[in-house]
Amino acid sequence: GQQLNQSPQSMFIQEGEDVSMNCTSSSIFNTWLWYKQDPGEGPVLLIALYKAGELTSNGRLTAQFGITRKDSFLNISASIPSDVGIYFCAGPNDGGATNKLIFGTGTLLAVQP
Amino acid sequence: DGGITQSPKYLFRKEGQNVTLSCEQNLNHDAMYWYRQDPGQGLRLIYYSQIVNDFQKGDIAEGYSVSREKKESFPLTVTSAQKNPTAFYLCASSPHTGGRETQYFGPGTRLLVL
Repeated sequence: GQQLNQSPQSMFIQEGEDVSMNCTSSSIFNTWLWYKQDPGEGPVLLIALYKAGELTSNGRLTAQFGITRKDSFLNISASIPSDVGIYFCAGPNDGGATNKLIFGTGTLLAVQP
Repeated sequence: DGGITQSPKYLFRKEGQNVTLSCEQNLNHDAMYWYRQDPGQGLRLIYYSQIVNDFQKGDIAEGYSVSREKKESFPLTVTSAQKNPTAFYLCASSPHTGGRETQYFGPGTRLLVL
């Protein structure tokens, strides 16, 4: 079945540093989604990508839909303490037929003030 | 405000007991989903429903049951057959059934077995 590999598993950085994380799929996706989950809360959608090569920003966050359609990248610039959380990538589990998603295992981000 | 609500925030279950987790959305979304999250793991799909009175099993449906009698409601019952129910349960909904897939999540319910 489809798999999403997300890396790194965790990151410990200083406030102000930039962050990069990525997600790779074993098959082609036509949608990439990036979510952030705060401790004890539900994931919140950060960025949605629907076209290969697409580059989309949301404040200090920028995500890209890889040209091969098998990967996506999320960058956070000038990190702040409230960026702490788990970041998940997600994509359609069955080519979009049913809206089911498959999720990566997440990247835990810790930001030291 | 529009959104997805889950209740309760914390739920305790005794051995052999069934419990039902509530999920309500006022976003007028057609599709709804239930996920289970264990520490250090991603989200795993339990059940999903694309339309009222219809639902399908996800990857880990054993020991769970659902109903979809109303568009805005998708309750999940954790039965006594679920041997390891302690987890964080997340409900989600989606405005589309194909095409630009996007799911929006509720705040979650943490289930603990006593």
